[in-house]
Amino acid sequence: NAGVTQTPKFQVLKTGQSMTLQCAQDMNHEYMSWYRQDPGMGLRLIHYSVGAGITDQGEVPNGYNVSRSTTEDFPLRLLSAAPSQTSVYFCASSRRQGAYEQYFGPGTRLTVT
Amino acid sequence: SQKIEQNSEALNIQEGKTATLTCNYTNYSPAYLQWYRQDPGRGPVFLLLIRENEKEKRKERLKVTFDTTLKQSLFHITASQPADSATYLCAYSDQGGSQGNLIFGKGTKLSVKP
Repeated sequence: NAGVTQTPKFQVLKTGQSMTLQCAQDMNHEYMSWYRQDPGMGLRLIHYSVGAGITDQGEVPNGYNVSRSTTEDFPLRLLSAAPSQTSVYFCASSRRQGAYEQYFGPGTRLTVT
Repeated sequence: SQKIEQNSEALNIQEGKTATLTCNYTNYSPAYLQWYRQDPGRGPVFLLLIRENEKEKRKERLKVTFDTTLKQSLFHITASQPADSATYLCAYSDQGGSQGNLIFGKGTKLSVKP
């Protein structure tokens, strides 16, 4: 089991560029989520999915899109990068939404200049 | 809305002592809460989950308590070691019941000195 994998590990973008952060899990988990972590702010939920074909917004969804066409993959798209999106992004999965332990990926460190 | 507060940004203790970390919530009593460990440059790793009808949960040197009267969870590491140095995060559901998404506290950075 690879668990939760994320690519890339590091990325530098210019303002206005778009990109996709990849996330995959091989545990057949129904629930997947994206968080961003900023100094002094803790982990904040961007988007989540309770199953293939179902996505919903979290606390800070603006500027991001997601899709869930398969159980395994949950990519996060930055539509037009802004310096405020400089952050560390974590993908997580769990068996279901709710009282289940979440497995986190290693993170993507994104810098927008 | 539900708010999570981890009282200390940092905690320094001597090896062998018990570390006690605090996590408070402000509104409704959540059905469960979770504790995670995060090392620098890595994703959080799950440690323990405790439900509202459980007063205490243990795993090796770790112990979590859940006091719905005080709206507080305490996380203890007994016989602490330098390898326990990390940031510890608490998390609650953003809804009542067993559903919902997790809201994370900002974390407490624990340093265990030899």
